[in-house]
Amino acid sequence: EIVLTQSPGTLSLSPGERATLSCRASQSVSSSYLAWYQQKPGQAPRLLIYGASSRATGIPDRFSGSGSGTDFTLTISRLEPEDFAVYYCQQYGSSPPRLTFGGGTKVEIK
Amino acid sequence: EVQLVESGGGLVQPGRSLRLSCAASGFTFDDYAMHWVRQAPGKGLEWVSGISWNSGSIGYADSVKGRFTISRDNAKNSLYLQMNSLRAEDTALYYCAKGATMIVGGEFDYWGQGTLVTVSS
Repeated sequence: EIVLTQSPGTLSLSPGERATLSCRASQSVSSSYLAWYQQKPGQAPRLLIYGASSRATGIPDRFSGSGSGTDFTLTISRLEPEDFAVYYCQQYGSSPPRLTFGGGTKVEIK
Repeated sequence: EVQLVESGGGLVQPGRSLRLSCAASGFTFDDYAMHWVRQAPGKGLEWVSGISWNSGSIGYADSVKGRFTISRDNAKNSLYLQMNSLRAEDTALYYCAKGATMIVGGEFDYWGQGTLVTVSS
């Protein structure tokens, strides 16, 4: 099973600042099979990025994804008040199907 | 508009069974894989199980394999999760999620609001 480790656990930033979130895999993940989700308190997760770098429908361009192999990054170029939330990475490329999530990074207001 | 509505959660004793359902609408159900994802109180997300568009491919997390069974009824636009031999560690909010592709290996582009399962004596 591929284990995803997200860092940092918590990121304390101010609105307008840049956020850089890391997701490291225990073994290589095809870039086509890495996604990022945002979850706000009391809400279901929302798909932000799929295929490591493609934005999902309706996602603002301040969100971007990059990386390959075992190291992936989600960048929020300028934090808006609504961006403070928990972010999860997910891989879905293994066979037989064993989809896994990272432990999450909480982006909080400093 | 895509809608996923889970039901069937509740309080159940350890060792007992529960069946979750997910009613889907707003998209062509039998064109997409479907999944169950859970979240224990205050914890992160855990993929539980996924099923391809035609039920030909199914996957389970190791933590539920042999105890949980996923199924779907394309005629009824519905997804199910039969949960047997429930344990305290199965306590969680269970989300139904729509896969973005026909196969199990894909991202989840829509989620329901979840149904809470509490396993306790």
